[in-house]
Parts: sequence; C-alpha cells; structure tokens
Amino acid sequence: DADVTQTPRNRITKTGKRIMLECSQTKGHDRMYWYRQDPGLGLRLIYYSFDVKDINKGEISDGYSVSRQAQAKFSLSLESAIPNQTALYFCATSDLTSGRLGNEQFFGPGTRLTVL
Amino acid sequence: ELKVEQNPLFLSMQEGKNYTIYCNYSTTSDRLYWYRQDPGKSLESLFVLLSNGAVKQEGRLMASLDTKARLSTLHITAAVHDLSATYFCAVDAPSGTYKYIFGTGTRLKVLA
Repeated sequence: DADVTQTPRNRITKTGKRIMLECSQTKGHDRMYWYRQDPGLGLRLIYYSFDVKDINKGEISDGYSVSRQAQAKFSLSLESAIPNQTALYFCATSDLTSGRLGNEQFFGPGTRLTVL
Repeated sequence: ELKVEQNPLFLSMQEGKNYTIYCNYSTTSDRLYWYRQDPGKSLESLFVLLSNGAVKQEGRLMASLDTKARLSTLHITAAVHDLSATYFCAVDAPSGTYKYIFGTGTRLKVLA
C-alpha cells in the first residue's frame, strides 16, 4: 500500500547531540510536512516543502533544519538537541494536483523523541 | 494571525448520548479538515470540508462547515466506546500557502 513511513520510531538522545529523523512516502505526493506534537498544544508546523527545490519555515523552525533529498524523502535534523525538543514528531504528505481533496494531509506513524 | 480554537478540550460522555465538538477559526478560509488520533498513534483523516455549507457523515459522526461564521462542528450521535480518541480540526492557512493550522484537539472519552 502507498504509505508514509518514519524512522526511527523511538529515539532517546542526549543534550547537544545531532540527530536526524527520516520520512519516506510512496504516495507520489509533492508536498511534505514536519510537525511537532506536545501534550495540550496540538500539532505545530516545523517545516514544509512543495517540491525538491522548495523549503519553507513553519511556526517553530528554530533549532531544526530539513532536507528534501527526493520527491519521496524529507528529513528533519536537530543540530544540537535540547530537552525541550522532547516531543512526538510527525511527517505528513499531501497531493498538489488533487483539488477534490483540497489539501488533505496523510500522516506517518510518528517518531517519539526524548532528549535527556 | 490565524487561530483555531476547539471546545470543549475534554469531553466525557456516556454511551448512547449525543454531543457536538466546535471548531472556531479567526480568518477567512473555506477548507477545513477533521482528524482522529488514538493514544500514541498517528492522525487519521475523517472529513474534508471544502465549501460553505458542506456536510459530511460517516457512521456516528457528522461534520459541517459554516465559513461565514468561521465555525465547524463535529456531531456525535449515540456515542460508543470505540469513538474514544482525540479529535483535531485543521484549517488551511490563507490562500496560497497550503499549510494547516491545527486546533488544540478535543479529547473524547466515552464511558460504557
């Protein structure tokens, strides 16, 4: 099945370490997104990309960077992790060409990140 | 700045009862989405509402959109335990940006 996958699913790291979260999709969608979810705060957009050459900051991009290596791959990096980046991270995709669905987004399973 | 507010934030209800979750947003938008999230799981798309007056129904859930009032409702009919989850609405940010602003979610618990 066409899908959105994320690796790793769980990660524990220490303050100051660099880590990368990866997202791959087989849906053939152009748009990809990274979100962060904290209890009581809903989901907040970190970065989004509409194609390989297009990267945009979201609400909370400080401390994060991204790379769109291919249409199907979108990675999120924490250059120097800090404890308040402990959260659940989701990747999502949507289809630029499907007007019927508006901007319906499809989410990956999430990565639970803990920074000690 | 676009803001999306849901209420209530928490809802505990008995099986068989009806209830409505509200989603208000602060700026013009004619596209709104509802998602469900089970604890520790991903978000599952429930409804896509793309115009004023849009109404969608799936099982015991019905969603509607009033773009003039900047309001969407998610109505639950005869709740069952399996509907226990957190429900999020999301609004497309102003035209051309193709990104969501999420509400804070409504955590629903249906008691047997």
